[in-house]
Amino acid sequence: RKEVEQDPGPFNVPEGATVAFNCTYSNSASQSFFWYRQDCRKEPKLLMSVYSSGNEDGRFTAQLNRASQYISLLIRDSKLSDSATYLCVVIAGAQKLVFGQGTRLTINP
Amino acid sequence: DAMVIQNPRYQVTQFGKPVTLSCSQTLNHNVMYWYQQKSSQAPKLLFHYYDKDFNNEADTPDNFQSRRPNTSFCFLDIRSPGLGDAAMYLCATSRGGQGVNYGYTFGSGTRLTVV
Repeated sequence: RKEVEQDPGPFNVPEGATVAFNCTYSNSASQSFFWYRQDCRKEPKLLMSVYSSGNEDGRFTAQLNRASQYISLLIRDSKLSDSATYLCVVIAGAQKLVFGQGTRLTINP
Repeated sequence: DAMVIQNPRYQVTQFGKPVTLSCSQTLNHNVMYWYQQKSSQAPKLLFHYYDKDFNNEADTPDNFQSRRPNTSFCFLDIRSPGLGDAAMYLCATSRGGQGVNYGYTFGSGTRLTVV
């Protein structure tokens, strides 16, 4: 079983739609959680950290469910510029980022 | 403004010919990482340095080596590149210590082609 699992997609949604991704992790000792965004042939960039209480940044909302060991990302009012691959990332000791495979999102006009 | 700099951005090397990728940082971060990312796959950690302490991942092939001569620089050496080593190689840094805000920062990556 992979440490971090995501549905690779692709997700194709119309502009303005709401889209949600989930991610599960296997290590119950995982401490920190993030969503990264990666554009084609570019490096991953931090989108947001994920906290137990849930957190929101503009159109983006992240949730963490420790009991079920999953993380979610919700994007509201999606824009064309949101098209990218979204990587779920977990840290479980030793400060090593463990990446999910990524979910590819395309927003269509 | 770039704080983690990788050179070169694109590297073409011959099958079996040693190649070195470089990474430098201006953040004074304690930890430097090398990740390998193949097409449509997740970045995979190869190894990392915490200050001068080298930490190899169990499944990193012996063909991959690393050096960190000082805080600012870290190198990835591929002793005998094979066709399967073609990938994007990402360097990243973090502050080290405890806490949630590790300050992870990625370089732009070096895309390696093996011919």
